[in-house]
Amino acid sequence: EVQLVETGGTLMQPGGSLRLSCAVSGLNLRDEYLSWVRQAPGKGLEWVSVIYAGGATYYAESVQGRFTVSKDHFKSTVYLQMSSLRVDDTAVYYCARARHNGWPSPLDYWGQGTLVTVS
Amino acid sequence: DTQLIQSPSTLSASIGDRVSITCRASQSITTWLAWYQQKPGKAPKLLIYQVSKLETGVPSRFSGSGSGTDFTLTIRSLQPDDLATYYCQHYNSNVLSFGGGTKVEI
Repeated sequence: EVQLVETGGTLMQPGGSLRLSCAVSGLNLRDEYLSWVRQAPGKGLEWVSVIYAGGATYYAESVQGRFTVSKDHFKSTVYLQMSSLRVDDTAVYYCARARHNGWPSPLDYWGQGTLVTVS
Repeated sequence: DTQLIQSPSTLSASIGDRVSITCRASQSITTWLAWYQQKPGKAPKLLIYQVSKLETGVPSRFSGSGSGTDFTLTIRSLQPDDLATYYCQHYNSNVLSFGGGTKVEI
């Protein structure tokens, strides 16, 4: 069974740094494309970043230069390192798998999300 | 970057109604469009990809159509479990984007 579990969300002050984790089971990260998507309270979905199976990364313009996505195959975990946090980074952050085992792709498995509040 | 505009933003309907949601892209995305359903407090769920292909386990009352810049999600006979917010998403470039969402309510 495929499971994605995000952790690390918390209350942060503007300008701070935070690392989110997405623990993945039922998948081999060496073969998968994993993405981060966020949702501000009461708002719509916003794509944040993707990390390829081979390690390449892409980011939304709104987080480019401030967020970094990485992964640890041995821990089967994907990370989102967030720095220079702003109030408008407040959101539930989801990690999700690319359905097509490539990029770009729709996202078929999602975690439950973790809330980051910047205030 | 490609922008997606959904309409309406809110849709009021009755159980058993046929419901349609529109998604318009700022440029052609050929057939690289997906639809998601999100219920309050839950993660989005993939319903349809490549415009019209139903994800495994999705009821057949859901269907998708369109190409180029104009797309539609249709629910043939609205059920109580379908009350949710629906999002379109394009995947024709390395940078994805979602539509603003359509809330379906009674």
